[in-house]
Amino acid sequence: AQSVTQLDSQVPVFEEAPVELRCNYSSSVSVYLFWYVQYPNQGLQLLLKYLSGSTLVESINGFEAEFNKSQTSFHLRKPSVHISDTAEYFCAVSAARNSGNTPLVFGKGTRLSVIA
Amino acid sequence: KAGVTQTPRYLIKTRGQQVTLSCSPISGHRSVSWYQQTPGQGLQFLFEYFSETQRNKGNFPGRFSGRQFSNSRSEMNVSTLELGDSALYLCASTTTRTDTQYFGPGTRLTVL
Repeated sequence: AQSVTQLDSQVPVFEEAPVELRCNYSSSVSVYLFWYVQYPNQGLQLLLKYLSGSTLVESINGFEAEFNKSQTSFHLRKPSVHISDTAEYFCAVSAARNSGNTPLVFGKGTRLSVIA
Repeated sequence: KAGVTQTPRYLIKTRGQQVTLSCSPISGHRSVSWYQQTPGQGLQFLFEYFSETQRNKGNFPGRFSGRQFSNSRSEMNVSTLELGDSALYLCASTTTRTDTQYFGPGTRLTVL
């Protein structure tokens, strides 16, 4: 079974400052890793994912995350945040399989608040 | 392509009633998963359907059930509603090629 720990429940940060949202996972098998973002009264939007290959993955809106197998981490970073980045961010893990879907296991979420 | 759609977006029911939620996946996606989101328990996996068969099931009581139709649309049903069933119910679809789940906007269920 997999588990995910998001180390910070809330992260306040000033606009244009850098931010890091931390995520650690536990699994006895190879994993896929995801970050999703949720705006108020909306569903989850995929921000970025690691399936294989390069351990550094990027999103189109400036976020990046690095898969670190030795530290079992997948921290999310952005060098300069905007007010519009205010949202809840969820880290998720699933077991990697050759075929078929496996359930996502989510962390408890980190609420990012960007202050003007 | 249109995204995952869920209907209705909001529902209010009373204890003891039953409810049916609907999910239409992204065109071409044959796998549909359901998740429950509550402030206390966070996001929890309910079940997954693929080609009209339940392939995975989470740790929820038998009051929670689902099905999938030949066009990949899925429904979930909750019988004998309890106050604790108040939650945002999210549906996600995927293909085996991408191993990535794409979520709908959710159905907000309130049980009074």
